[in-house]
Amino acid sequence: DAGITQSPRHKVTETGTPVTLRCHQTENHRYMYWYRQDPGHGLRLIHYSYGVKDTDKGEVSDGYSVSRSKTEDFLLTLESATSSQTSVYFCAISDGRDNQPQHFGDGTRLSIL
Amino acid sequence: QKEVEQNSGPLSVPEGAIASLNCTYSDRGSQSFFWYRQYSGKSPELIMFIYSNGDKEDGRFTAQLNKASQYVSLLIRDSQPSDSATYLCAVNDAGNNRKLIWGLGTSLAVNP
Repeated sequence: DAGITQSPRHKVTETGTPVTLRCHQTENHRYMYWYRQDPGHGLRLIHYSYGVKDTDKGEVSDGYSVSRSKTEDFLLTLESATSSQTSVYFCAISDGRDNQPQHFGDGTRLSIL
Repeated sequence: QKEVEQNSGPLSVPEGAIASLNCTYSDRGSQSFFWYRQYSGKSPELIMFIYSNGDKEDGRFTAQLNKASQYVSLLIRDSQPSDSATYLCAVNDAGNNRKLIWGLGTSLAVNP
């Protein structure tokens, strides 16, 4: 299995609080991705990174920010959580070569009350 | 809008039968095609990828690609109850091939 660790695995928090999710990889892969998965919407890309300090937006980036200060770590921050951000969040990695697949972490189940 | 379409199912097959899962995509420039399996409450797991027209076999799984028809399928032979899961089809975004376009998945139930 790809060495991807997401933390925390579960979190319950209140509307308006900041939340940071962490993705840690041991594969030295260049590309890292944050997705959310919701019933009826499937996997939707939030942000991705193509190197240290290099990030770009996905299709549902509003309300989220990311940072990548080291190759192995990619952080997703909800500055002021809203109930619409209740979801399952997955981190994925890819080595960045053409046409290579993405491999997923175990996910974080986030509930915002 | 680039899209990947899958029949949501559920697709129900008896144990030992062949399960056939289908996927169509809109981005004619897509070059790489992936099938992921996702058990309930778990993360997506890569099971097959295919880049060239034709068939690719790996154990009980066969991926089939027809770029002219923009169609990719996954066949599961000798289906087992442990194959019961949601199967996600993903294709690369031709405009940025480090990004994938995802289908919503097909739910498969294999009945003993």
